[in-house]
Amino acid sequence: NAGVTQTPKFRILKIGQSMTLQCAQDMNHNYMYWYRQDPGMGLKLIYYSVGAGITDKGEVPNGYNVSRSTTEDFPLRLELAAPSQTSVYFCASRVNRDRVYEQYFGPGTRLTVT
Amino acid sequence: EDQVTQSPEALRLQEGESSSLNCSYTVSGLRGLFWYRQDPGKGPEFLFTLYSAGEEKEKERLKATLTKKESFLHITAPKPEDSATYLCAVQPSYSSASKIIFGSGTRLSIRP
Repeated sequence: NAGVTQTPKFRILKIGQSMTLQCAQDMNHNYMYWYRQDPGMGLKLIYYSVGAGITDKGEVPNGYNVSRSTTEDFPLRLELAAPSQTSVYFCASRVNRDRVYEQYFGPGTRLTVT
Repeated sequence: EDQVTQSPEALRLQEGESSSLNCSYTVSGLRGLFWYRQDPGKGPEFLFTLYSAGEEKEKERLKATLTKKESFLHITAPKPEDSATYLCAVQPSYSSASKIIFGSGTRLSIRP
C-alpha cells in the first residue's frame, strides 16, 4: 500500500492565483481530512469527509473548497490565493471503526503565496 | 474551550538521558488521546492511542501514560534517531469524526 499520497510537494503561487492540492489513499478509508500547519502551531482542520459525496467544514475553511467523488480521492481547491494561505498542508485518512481513531497522514504540500 | 497544551516547546537531551514530555488537556469528556511523531518535512506518524485514565502503552523506548488531566510521553535512554517533534491530540467524547484538537508539539533533540 502507498498509504496517503499528496501532490505537489512544493508550490509557489502568486496572489490571486488558484490551484488544487491532490490527495489520494489506497487503504479504503471512509474518513479523510485536510489540515494546515503553520510554524510553531498545531494542525488546524480545514475540511473533512466521512465518505464519497459527503464533506463538511472544519475550523478554518475560508478560502478553500473540497470535493469527494470517490473513496480514494479528496482534492483541496484554493481560490484566489492570499499570503495568509502560506502554510504546509496535510491530508489524512482513517478507518471508520469504533475505538480506532488514529489518522494516517500524507507527506504534505508546502505552499508559498507571494 | 477545548484546549491541548504541550510542554516544553523544545527539549535537548544527551543520548541516554531519560525524560518526559507533557500534554495537558481540557475537554468535555475524552474519547481518545493520541501521540504522533513528526520528522522535519514529513507528515505526522501515529504512535499511540490512549482511551482512559490509568492506561499505558509502550513502543521501544517510548511509553505513554494518561491521567484525567494530562498525558506523559516518557522516553527512556533516548538515541539520536528519536529526535523529532512529538504531537499530542485529543478527540472529545461529544465530537463526530471531525473534531480532533492538536497541541503545538515538543521538539526533541538528542545529542550523541
